[in-house]
Amino acid sequence: ETGVTQTPRHLVMGMTNKKSLKCEQHLGHNAMYWYKQSAKKPLELMFVYSLEERVENNSVPSRFSPECPNSSHLFLHLHTLQPEDSALYLCASSQDTGSYEQYFGPGTRLTVT
Amino acid sequence: TQLLEQSPQFLSIQEGENLTVYCNSSSVFSSLQWYRQEPGEGPVLLVTVVTGGEVKKLKRLTFQFGDARKDSSLHITAAQPGDTGLYLCAGGFENNNDMRFGAGTRLTVKP
Repeated sequence: ETGVTQTPRHLVMGMTNKKSLKCEQHLGHNAMYWYKQSAKKPLELMFVYSLEERVENNSVPSRFSPECPNSSHLFLHLHTLQPEDSALYLCASSQDTGSYEQYFGPGTRLTVT
Repeated sequence: TQLLEQSPQFLSIQEGENLTVYCNSSSVFSSLQWYRQEPGEGPVLLVTVVTGGEVKKLKRLTFQFGDARKDSSLHITAAQPGDTGLYLCAGGFENNNDMRFGAGTRLTVKP
């Protein structure tokens, strides 16, 4: 049990749908992250939040929209996705952005049809 | 762009065998982490190494950080089926605050 939860665990959506992924951390951390994990590729960092402020956006398409209402919750809003966006989306947290020890949630397995 | 290279990409062994996997970079790490990820789950942090030449042991797992802090290895003694998973290394680099993940070594331990 990592202290980071994600819902839903699995999601199938059409290209015209709008959905949201949710992440919650119970560790008292100040930094939260969204990663994309595709088969045979390194983890791709998408967004970094520090104390609810976005500090990094790694050239992610605008069809992915993050939201961090407080330091414990992180959302990833999805709309008009493409089939190549199908992947495992992982949320992580760390004490702060200077700490490299990250704690991951179980991920949301997303399939775009 | 600083890259982490992990080798081998895939490894399949019998229960009881020993194995070593590697993580290499051309740049100096400020710190390096090893994670294990099981199917359908997120990566779980195993260890952090920060000092060149450092060796850390976690039961049957031995982690070594190279003297120059550009490489690391993970050695597993007497592997068990429960060791099956994707082993990821990740590190921060001295010259910036970026953190990078390797593509991982997928280990299968057969009973």
